[in-house]
Amino acid sequence: DAMVIQNPRYQVTQFGKPVTLSCSQTLNHNVMYWYQQKSSQAPKLLFHYYDKDFNNEADTPDNFQSRRPNTSFCFLDIRSPGLGDAAMYLCATSRDYVYEQYFGPGTRLTVT
Amino acid sequence: GENVEQHPSTLSVQEGDSAVIKCTYSDSASNYFPWYKQELGKGPQLIIDIRSNVGEKKDQRIAVTLNKTAKHFSLHITETQPEDSAVYFCAASIRSTGGFKTIFGAGTRLFVKA
Repeated sequence: DAMVIQNPRYQVTQFGKPVTLSCSQTLNHNVMYWYQQKSSQAPKLLFHYYDKDFNNEADTPDNFQSRRPNTSFCFLDIRSPGLGDAAMYLCATSRDYVYEQYFGPGTRLTVT
Repeated sequence: GENVEQHPSTLSVQEGDSAVIKCTYSDSASNYFPWYKQELGKGPQLIIDIRSNVGEKKDQRIAVTLNKTAKHFSLHITETQPEDSAVYFCAASIRSTGGFKTIFGAGTRLFVKA
């Protein structure tokens, strides 16, 4: 049974057109993460929530924002996608810090 | 800054042989070291992890060793099978603003030839 679900699996958007990616979890984990992964590279942390507390990485562009309305759901908003934002976006959860992260299948974003 | 280096970037072995992937980390306060396997088109999946109070951990064909003094840890896969072919990431947890975060190595693409 899927534990971390990401929708959509594939998203095509136009340059500058806002896009929202969604993530849901059935694990009731405290921590939810968003990573950006470009081809043949390691996942790069954008930000995470510990419960309702939002923690942004210093080098995450302002163009990227996130919302966590409840324990189960977390959203990644890209306000004005550029060509360089084309990537796989991975959502992950963990019950607490310093524990296994459970990754979703990812959303592949294409910017035209 | 915090860094995890991983070698080799590509590894090709014959089925049945062993594969070893090595990582070093920079933050001496790191205390959790997971290894993730990522298959094409999928998210990473944990295969084994080790905490800093343990020097070695084994799970069937997979083992991880940790040398805290030297700040390096290694993944060992024995009796490799074609289904082991994937990208493997080592990682280390570090204290960060707001809590902890995981720093990933650059990944090793493992090919197991039948």
